[in-house]
Amino acid sequence: SSELTQDPAVSVALGQTVRITCQGDSLRSYYGSWYQQRPGQAPVLVMFGYNKRPSGIPDRFSGSSSGNIASLTISGAQAEDEADYYCKSWDSSSNHALFGGGTKVTVL
Amino acid sequence: QVQLQESGPGLVKPSQTLSLTCTVSGGSISSGPYYWSWVRQPAGKGLEWIGRIYFSGSTDYNPSLKSRVTISIDTSKNQFSLKLSSVTASDTAVYFCAREGSGSRTDSWGQGTLVTVSS
Repeated sequence: SSELTQDPAVSVALGQTVRITCQGDSLRSYYGSWYQQRPGQAPVLVMFGYNKRPSGIPDRFSGSSSGNIASLTISGAQAEDEADYYCKSWDSSSNHALFGGGTKVTVL
Repeated sequence: QVQLQESGPGLVKPSQTLSLTCTVSGGSISSGPYYWSWVRQPAGKGLEWIGRIYFSGSTDYNPSLKSRVTISIDTSKNQFSLKLSSVTASDTAVYFCAREGSGSRTDSWGQGTLVTVSS
């Protein structure tokens, strides 16, 4: 089906590691990309391709993919990582992009 | 560093057409291999991809909106535009324009503009 599924919310203790997952059939064909969105701001690309970080994104962010699941891992979470995270992929069957529902990450 | 800026009415009446323009600076809208896209976000909800256009005029649209959406491009002005017809209250959202690179990754975003549909 043409959907991407994410857990609505996760929490992580300061300095610990958290993994966010995104599941969907389109991810079998495309690595997808990940976006961080803080309240009131535009999304920011934090991961794309297979574990590729745009310049300026800390290396505590990493990505992986297996089958129909893509993952974003934050190792050593910081207070500023508290945000909503969205995955995005491409549905080649009908030529359109799709976003996951988003995961709210809370840093305790 | 490319920059994008949305502009257009912040209030649209139901059944009318929502029209927004995105002005691109710091780079040519005609330079491949980028697509130019629109994304929206209702208050408190997630992101929804609306569609995209290539400088050649080729477009892709979200199937759920395709019947009401038109995205166009004006390379002479370095702008692209969104038209969404027959709007209802459910079209109230922050609308973002953005640049998509290979693999549909969106690497540059406008700040977003709130459009409210109300009489």
